[in-house]
Amino acid sequence: QISLKESGPTLLKPTETLTLTCTLSGFSLSTNEVGLGWIRQPPGKALEWLGLIYWDDEKRYRPSLKRRLTITKDTSKNQVVLTMTNMDPVDTGTFYCARYFVPFKKFDFWGQGTLVTVSS
Amino acid sequence: QSVLRQPPSVSGAPGQRVTISCTGSSSNIGTGYDVNWYQQFPGTAPKLLIYDNNNRPSGVPDRFSGSKSGTSASLAITGLQAEDEADYYCQSYDMNLNWVFGGGTKLTVL
Repeated sequence: QISLKESGPTLLKPTETLTLTCTLSGFSLSTNEVGLGWIRQPPGKALEWLGLIYWDDEKRYRPSLKRRLTITKDTSKNQVVLTMTNMDPVDTGTFYCARYFVPFKKFDFWGQGTLVTVSS
Repeated sequence: QSVLRQPPSVSGAPGQRVTISCTGSSSNIGTGYDVNWYQQFPGTAPKLLIYDNNNRPSGVPDRFSGSKSGTSASLAITGLQAEDEADYYCQSYDMNLNWVFGGGTKLTVL
């Protein structure tokens, strides 16, 4: 059974760095044709794709946030880490990790999400 | 502003058919990239509803269907039920922006 779970801080101050961990269960990022994406959702607003890491360690980032984002994977721990620097109140939102199945280009399994608030 | 444009809201009575449009451009849907649809209830994570334009994951009722033509895609829900009240998002790939989502549509069942 596939599941994902995000973990990390719930409250940050402006300029701090966000580090979120997505722990995978039921699948591995060492498996071909699988990726892990990060998506955020500001309160009351739409989903926004942030970045994605493939099984072969190729990474893709939202162009407007590329300088602030880093995604890494630790296949031995079955974890993927998102780092976002210089957090601002506008970055407040729920962050989701989701499995990306390459053959059908779909985010087919999602974590429950974690709400991150940026406030002084 | 989302790259994929959706109506902010749609509504229908139980039993009716509703459609939600997703309008893209030549850099995403119009190039041939496939469209996925997600359903999201308040306070919960999105759930894959339709993938590859018109395919349903196991467990999704056949009341839900998708289509794509040109630079747009549509989600149709027939036999509307109260439990279908949720937010719906389209998603595709863009040559310049990578993965993109629509602005979301709130479905109200009257």
